[in-house]
Amino acid sequence: KQEVTQIPAALSVPEGENLVLNCSFTDSAIYNLQWFRQDPGKGLTSLLLIQSSQREQTSGRLNASLDKSSGRSTLYIAASQPGDSATYLCAVSLITSGSRLTFGEGTQLTVNP
Amino acid sequence: DTAVSQTPKYLVTQMGNDKSIKCEQNLGHDTMYWYKQDSKKFLKIMFSYNNKELIINETVPNRFSPKSPDKAHLNLHINSLELGDSAVYFCASSRKNPGSHNSPLHFGNGTRLTVT
Repeated sequence: KQEVTQIPAALSVPEGENLVLNCSFTDSAIYNLQWFRQDPGKGLTSLLLIQSSQREQTSGRLNASLDKSSGRSTLYIAASQPGDSATYLCAVSLITSGSRLTFGEGTQLTVNP
Repeated sequence: DTAVSQTPKYLVTQMGNDKSIKCEQNLGHDTMYWYKQDSKKFLKIMFSYNNKELIINETVPNRFSPKSPDKAHLNLHINSLELGDSAVYFCASSRKNPGSHNSPLHFGNGTRLTVT
């Protein structure tokens, strides 16, 4: 059974700081890993999707890496802004479970002005 | 121009009632999902439909019945509501089909269900 863990559960940083969010998963037989952002009272917004054959994906100030062998992914946010404050979730899709995503519990990020 | 829209946004009802949540996507996606987010913010898949066909049915009570009249709609009907059903229910869609697993999910804004 795939388990996804995110550390830390909460993070508070001053504006402008670079930061790293961590995600680990127990079953390395994944199809892909996705990072999502969830704002209070809103749905999830897909930020980055890394296929199992890829090592990283970049979008603007965001960079996500994937190390399947160690079961880890990181989301790097450069030059953080107050608007980045949200809960960040990672989710993995297993080869054996098709389109089913298994989510971590999220990291609640607060960027202070 | 909302991509995935679900209604209602809030639903407060008493135990034992039957209620429905509707979901529509205008992205032309083939696959739609229902996820449940509990009080600890943990998201878990409930159902998935591909082109109106059920492809994922997690271990949920049979009081929950999804219905997909066409590939743009996936509604969730819940019978005999219980206190433990209180959660936020998210609809999602993706372009992927069972043979392709690299399409990101697009989520609706959620329906907060409160059972009293």
